[in-house]
Amino acid sequence: RKEVEQDPGPFNVPEGATVAFNCTYSNSASQSFFWYRQDCRKEPKLLMSVYSSGNEDGRFTAQLNRASQYISLLIRDSKLSDSATYLCVVNLNYQLIWGAGTKLIIKP
Amino acid sequence: GAVVSQHPSWVICKSGTSVKIECRSLDFQATTMFWYRQFPKQSLMLMATSNEGSKATYEQGVEKDKFLINHASLTLSTLTVTSAHPEDSSFYICSARVGTGNNEQFFGPGTRLTVL
Repeated sequence: RKEVEQDPGPFNVPEGATVAFNCTYSNSASQSFFWYRQDCRKEPKLLMSVYSSGNEDGRFTAQLNRASQYISLLIRDSKLSDSATYLCVVNLNYQLIWGAGTKLIIKP
Repeated sequence: GAVVSQHPSWVICKSGTSVKIECRSLDFQATTMFWYRQFPKQSLMLMATSNEGSKATYEQGVEKDKFLINHASLTLSTLTVTSAHPEDSSFYICSARVGTGNNEQFFGPGTRLTVL
């Protein structure tokens, strides 16, 4: 079983729609959680940290469920520029463990 | 924000040659630098962690004699892929962190290596 699992997609979504991704992690001792965005052939960029209380940044909402060991990302009113691969990342003992990413394609 | 550069951004080389990749923190001093490798459609895999002035710590399965890491200063780390083979073709990304623990890592733009 992979330490961090994500649906690879691709998710093909019309512009303006709402889309959600989930990610599951295997180690309950994981300490902190993040969503990164990676464009094709580029480095990953931090999108947002994820907290149990949930956090929102504009059109993006992230949620952590420690009991079920999953993390979610919700994107509202999707834009063409949101097309990218979204990486779920878990910090375990100060080491980042990466999911393989979910590819999102926003269509006009 | 903190900026990390990598050089070269892409390289094509013949099998058997060695390739050096540089990672620099441009506007901050990085206590720790990390080297990752990413194959197409796969996750980033940590290869090694290096602290300035000490030997790098390699992840299981990563050959330290093949992937030489030098972290000579707080702003520069180098990764040398020795005797590269086609299976070493990948996207190599470095990141740099100030301090320890949960401090954010800042990523370089990556180096795409193609070994013919």
